[in-house]
Amino acid sequence: AQKVTQAQTEISVVEKEDVTLDCVYETRDTTYYLFWYKQPPSGELVFLIRRNSFDEQNEISGRYSWNFQKSTSSFNFTITASQVVDSAVYFCALTEYNTDKLIFGTGTRLQVFP
Amino acid sequence: DGGITQSPKYLFRKEGQNVTLSCEQNLNHDAMYWYRQDPGQGLRLIYYSQIVNDFQKGDIAEGYSVSREKKESFPLTVTSAQKNPTAFYLCASGTYDEGTYGYTFGSGTRLTVV
Repeated sequence: AQKVTQAQTEISVVEKEDVTLDCVYETRDTTYYLFWYKQPPSGELVFLIRRNSFDEQNEISGRYSWNFQKSTSSFNFTITASQVVDSAVYFCALTEYNTDKLIFGTGTRLQVFP
Repeated sequence: DGGITQSPKYLFRKEGQNVTLSCEQNLNHDAMYWYRQDPGQGLRLIYYSQIVNDFQKGDIAEGYSVSREKKESFPLTVTSAQKNPTAFYLCASGTYDEGTYGYTFGSGTRLTVV
């Protein structure tokens, strides 16, 4: 069965520190999608990135970067020079190919202190 | 603007009462999903529907019911059989976009049963 593990329950950093959020997944599908979402205190989910299983290129978007490694089934997320506005819960998620169900990890709460 | 509307944002009910959470989308997406979020447990799938007049149970369907009579609407009823209904509920829709699958989430309904 598909599974997403985010082992870090909570991370606290001081502003301007770099921080990496880990995500490990399990799937038997050869075609799948991986996602990262941000959930601020208001509760809505903010889409950050989608990556399909055939594209292992790392991606950078401003201060955000993602490292996808199929060999270790990991899809880690790094925030460079963190800011207080980055404080939120971050979820990694995986689609199930036949049903398109989105399977979430338990989330990592990031607190960035000034 | 297209999107998903969940109403109400906050809902209070007495124990033993059924309550229906609304989810409406104007994105013309075929698939819709209901997730429940509890602190520290991430998002868990309750029900999903890939097409009108058809839906399937997710991982935690007991005590919930849904209907999908119209493409735009996927209401969730929390019945008195749900043992611990107090939670944050998120509705989502999904569709293929340029060959990849994407999701749109509503802003959520926070249900408190007293």
